[in-house]
Amino acid sequence: GAVVSQHPSWVICKSGTSVKIECRSLDFQATTMFWYRQFPKQSLMLMATSNEGSKATYEQGVEKDKFLINHASLTLSTLTVTSAHPEDSSFYICSATTGAPLQPQHFGDGTRLSIL
Amino acid sequence: AQSVAQPEDQVNVAEGNPLTVKCTYSVSGNPYLFWYVQYPNRGLQFLLKYITGDNLVKGSYGFEAEFNKSQTSFHLKKPSALVSDSALYFCAVRFTDSWGKLQFGAGTQVVVTP
Repeated sequence: GAVVSQHPSWVICKSGTSVKIECRSLDFQATTMFWYRQFPKQSLMLMATSNEGSKATYEQGVEKDKFLINHASLTLSTLTVTSAHPEDSSFYICSATTGAPLQPQHFGDGTRLSIL
Repeated sequence: AQSVAQPEDQVNVAEGNPLTVKCTYSVSGNPYLFWYVQYPNRGLQFLLKYITGDNLVKGSYGFEAEFNKSQTSFHLKKPSALVSDSALYFCAVRFTDSWGKLQFGAGTQVVVTP
């Protein structure tokens, strides 16, 4: 149980384009989803917290106009990297939680984003 | 403020030997601690958590962790390591907000040699 699916797993695109990444909870309802960014051989950096039906809460230093997050349903959150540039290239990971007290986050397999 | 530290960038162990991955934490209030494992180009997999109760927590794949309040530590252990345990391990502490945000340590690369 508690499976989180993230799509696509790998995307390469040209500078200036926008890229959408989907995060789905397959067998549970995710009241809260998190989006992380991870650089090679480094820890996860939390970008934003997304609650179903409300605006995402971004961490300090994360551009909300650059990284658009939508959590329209209890099973789907999307991250759109707008006007992507090479410095946005990274590994993006989502996670989801049911919202029940002290339950672990369940992670997707990540999306490798490469901007040329 | 809260934080979690993993003092070792890498741990090397021979297959069959005991494995320990260290984690120390700093929180105000009760600590809620987690261990995750990450394989290359994958997301994180939950191993175990400490919320309250018994200081020795058993988790997935034969891993366990010992919570030590006086030393503010939560070390991950496995009695007999496997080559397949080679991966990146993260310790995390939960924020006190209601959304379950986690603060992750820097990660420890475990290398198990045959």
